[in-house]
Amino acid sequence: QLQLQESGPGLVKPSETLSLTCTVSGDSISNTDYYWGWIRQPPEKGLEWIGTIYNSGNTFYNPSLKSRVTMSVDTSKKQFSLILSSVTAADTAVYYCSRVWYSSSLDVWWFDPWGRGTLVTVSS
Amino acid sequence: DIQMTQSPSSLSASVGDRVTITCRASQSISSHLNWYQQKPGIAPKILICASSSLQSGVPSRFSGSGSGTGFTLTISNLQPEDFATYYCQQSYTTPWTFGQGTKVEI
Repeated sequence: QLQLQESGPGLVKPSETLSLTCTVSGDSISNTDYYWGWIRQPPEKGLEWIGTIYNSGNTFYNPSLKSRVTMSVDTSKKQFSLILSSVTAADTAVYYCSRVWYSSSLDVWWFDPWGRGTLVTVSS
Repeated sequence: DIQMTQSPSSLSASVGDRVTITCRASQSISSHLNWYQQKPGIAPKILICASSSLQSGVPSRFSGSGSGTGFTLTISNLQPEDFATYYCQQSYTTPWTFGQGTKVEI
């Protein structure tokens, strides 16, 4: 059964760079059947999609964050990563990594499963 | 961006009730609509994809319907473990967007 685990600093200073890693276990990160993604949730607020990456390295990002986001995948380490630059207090959130499914028959994308999430606080 | 609006934002219900949550898209998204359940301190879990396709392992008391701009999630015979927050999400076009959530309380 696929499991995902986020890791990274829990505290980042304003204007600095947030870096998170998601470690995949229970299935191959190179599996061509799906993609990988990041979603965040500010405290007591809703969910925001950050971006999605394929094991080839192809990416698509939320335009609202695109200028500050970089995602990458390291198949040898079974990990994919998120970098968010020039952070502000508005970037304080629980960050989730997830497997991203695409069904060609239904032509729909969805997130399943999700990691447990990691809280990143932006504060000096 | 496509805006997803859920109603109500919260509701109170009792065990055994039938509950309906509505999700409205700011433009047509065909059937590209998913539903998730989130319990406090836990990551969201997929319930339904493509408007009405129940995911494996999800109880049959959950059902989804709709297309275009209007969608519903129905929970029949509400169980204690169903008290949670529910989110809709469109995957019709990027950026994929979520509704603001509907909290189902006792």
